[in-house]
Amino acid sequence: EAQVTQNPRYLITVTGKKLTVTCSQNMNHEYMSWYRQDPGLGLRQIYYSMNVEVTDKGDVPEGYKVSRKEKRNFPLILESPSPNQTSLYFCASRDSGRNSYNEQFFGPGTRLTVL
Amino acid sequence: QKEVEQNSGPLSVPEGAIASLNCTYSDRGSQSFFWYRQYSGKSPELIMFIYSNGDKEDGRFTAQLNKASQYVSLLIRDSQPSDSATYLCAVNRGPGAGSYQLTFGKGTKLSVIP
Repeated sequence: EAQVTQNPRYLITVTGKKLTVTCSQNMNHEYMSWYRQDPGLGLRQIYYSMNVEVTDKGDVPEGYKVSRKEKRNFPLILESPSPNQTSLYFCASRDSGRNSYNEQFFGPGTRLTVL
Repeated sequence: QKEVEQNSGPLSVPEGAIASLNCTYSDRGSQSFFWYRQYSGKSPELIMFIYSNGDKEDGRFTAQLNKASQYVSLLIRDSQPSDSATYLCAVNRGPGAGSYQLTFGKGTKLSVIP
């Protein structure tokens, strides 16, 4: 089954404790992206990657890091989480970005709470 | 700053009626447009995309695009309670390098009343 998976699905942590949210897709997609979703603010892009070893900042990259060492995986790293990073996070992937109307598939989401 | 605007709602319609959802965008270079449906606590799922001016129909859903007015809409005919969700409009500036990013509106919450 074609899918985007994220782990963990739920996480409660404390300020300053480094964490990683994993994202994996089995569709051989070139393009992957991370979003956060907050009430009243909608979906905002954190980082995206056009291919292996190629990443770029989205609209809200502060406090986050990413890496793309393999095509299928795109982990999101919070080196020192803060309460304002409490949010619902979605990973997404698409086939070649050159086709602007390719469907973007979303993972199930990770609900993160930073105390 | 590329912006995509939607009325937040809630938009309430009776079962069987037509629901009309609207979206405007600021970047005239935008090439393709997407409507996603998102149930509470779930991930967005694609309903339709459109990239040519005019109407595009898929079952009970019709997307309408007017690039001159920078306006895209989604009509849901014969609305069902299961259509109750938040509808996200997304805009892509592609093809080419700009196509790697989707800009989302904040979504319109639709409630279909039985």
